[in-house]
Amino acid sequence: DTGVSQNPRHKITKRGQNVTFRCDPISEHNRLYWYRQTLGQGPEFLTYFQNEAQLEKSRLLSDRFSAERPKGSFSTLEIQRTEQGDSAMYLCASSLDILPLHFGNGTRLTVT
Amino acid sequence: GESVGLHLPTLSVQEGDNSIINCAYSNSASDYFIWYKQESGKGPQFIIDIRSNMDKRQGQRVTVLLNKTVKHLSLQIAATQPGDSAVYFCADRPQGTYKYIFGTGTRLKVLA
Repeated sequence: DTGVSQNPRHKITKRGQNVTFRCDPISEHNRLYWYRQTLGQGPEFLTYFQNEAQLEKSRLLSDRFSAERPKGSFSTLEIQRTEQGDSAMYLCASSLDILPLHFGNGTRLTVT
Repeated sequence: GESVGLHLPTLSVQEGDNSIINCAYSNSASDYFIWYKQESGKGPQFIIDIRSNMDKRQGQRVTVLLNKTVKHLSLQIAATQPGDSAVYFCADRPQGTYKYIFGTGTRLKVLA
């Protein structure tokens, strides 16, 4: 079991730049989730996929955020025109049907 | 609205004692609940789950109790060890969705 893999682990970018994160879920898992976590807070739901279909998006997910899972395997989360408020840990999780989520170790984004 | 909260932000216990971490949830339609442990720099790690048709579930050194009447969830850790030091989150899943709502978290400190 290789677990959920996220890359990069850390990303520092300047305000206004675009960033893209990648998540590789556990291979047989059909559901994939993106969460955002700020210091001292619990993870906040952003969006989730069942296979390649994006089934739900949070109101937190502004137009600058887009997520894809083109072949139902890995997923990417892109943030355009980053703002300082986007600084957070971005967590990816996967699950098989209704079984518990398995999280990766996240990508920590710092916007300067 | 949907929210999952925790009563205590920090809990300190002596090594070897039992720990009890509490959580209140607001959505009476939630049918599935999970406890996660998060260590610094890592993603949340699954501990134990419980469905709404149960009121107690036991794992290795951990027990989860669910009181649907007062919408309360607790995690009991027996014989707390230094390796149990972490932040603990409860999460619930509203019925009919696959979205998990996390609380703020409780930091557990184990004193030697």
